[in-house]
This record gives sequence, C-alpha cells and structure tokens, in this order.
Amino acid sequence: KNEVEQSPQNLTAQEGEFITINCSYSVGISALHWLQQHPGGGIVSLFMLSSGKKKHGRLIATINIQEKHSSLHITASHPRDSAVYICAVSQGGSEKLVFGKGTKLTVNP
Amino acid sequence: DSGVTQTPKHLITATGQRVTLRCSPRSGDLSVYWYQQSLDQGLQFLIQYYNGEERAKGNILERFSAQQFPDLHSELNLSSLELGDSALYFCASSAGTSGGAVEQYFGPGTRLTVT
Repeated sequence: KNEVEQSPQNLTAQEGEFITINCSYSVGISALHWLQQHPGGGIVSLFMLSSGKKKHGRLIATINIQEKHSSLHITASHPRDSAVYICAVSQGGSEKLVFGKGTKLTVNP
Repeated sequence: DSGVTQTPKHLITATGQRVTLRCSPRSGDLSVYWYQQSLDQGLQFLIQYYNGEERAKGNILERFSAQQFPDLHSELNLSSLELGDSALYFCASSAGTSGGAVEQYFGPGTRLTVT
C-alpha cells in the first residue's frame, strides 16, 4: 500500500463545476503539499498545510490530521485548471516529499 | 517562474553513457532537492543537499551521484545509463531546514531520454 493515496485517478468536469480531489496518507507528517503539474511538465506548489484550511483564489485546501485526510477543492472550474494535481507529504523531521500518483483533471468548456 | 533553473531542458543519450544535470536554486535558498519522475514509478525523492552537505538520501541508485557547490548550484550525475533511467528529473529548492514543513520551489525539469 502506498503511503499517499489519491482519488480519483482521473476526473473530467464541465466548466463551472465544483471539483474535489482527495488525499489520504498512512504516516505521521509534518506538512502536506498540493502541487499542480501542467501538460508541459512544470510543477507548481499550490499549498503547504499542516492543519485547518487554506484558500487561494478559487482553490481551497483542507486537512484533517486525525483522519489523515486532505482535500483540494476548485470552485467555478475553468479549462485552464486542466492539469495533474499531486498530493505529497513530508514526514516527521525530514523534508523529503513522498508523493501520491496524482489526479489528472480535465475541464471541458 | 519559480526562480529555480535547470539545464539542459532535454537530453537524449545512449545506454552506457554519462550525463550531468545542473540546477541553480532560488536566490538565497540553501537546500536543493532532486526528484525523478518516471511513468511507472511516479515522482520519487533522490537526494537533498543543504549548504553544500548531503542532508537526506532517497531511492538514488549507486550509478547516480550529486553534489552542491559553494555557489549553491547543484549537479546530478547519472552514469552507465540504462533505458529505465529515461525520466523527468526535477530540482527543487527551499530556504532552509525546519524539520519538514518547508515549501519547495520546483525547477522546470530536465527530460532525459536514453536510447
């Protein structure tokens, strides 16, 4: 079993829909990261969180430490949101990231 | 633009060869991380350097080595290349070490193709 599990693997939505991507982890963490990887390959850090909730524009990330679960929400989705979204955790005193396999999101106009 | 640069962008080479990938961290960042992204394994941590010293090691093969220079740029050396080494190699940097909760900024990656 992977230490970081994401669901769904693939997600197709219509423009304007509310999107939720889930991440579960099985280890103790110091932080959870949400990353975005566009078709060109580059990786952008969206959020780093260790508790509660963070919001940036139309993106919201939440984490429940007790349940070892995080969600990434996208409100009013747009075709430019189409990308692979990757959940990653840093464990204990280490900064190395352990990654989920990613969720490929396609938003159709 | 994250401020992290990587060269080259693409690299095509033959099995058995040796290549060097280069990374320049964001200005002021002391930590550099190397990651490999392959189709079958996904993203995996290879190695971390902090201010010139190796800080953490992951699933890095013995054929691979890295170093961080006094000007803080880092190089990842891959030798005796095999077809399975074909992957995207990312470098990331961060300001320092803080026991795990540190934001990392990723470079654009180097796509290595071994033929």
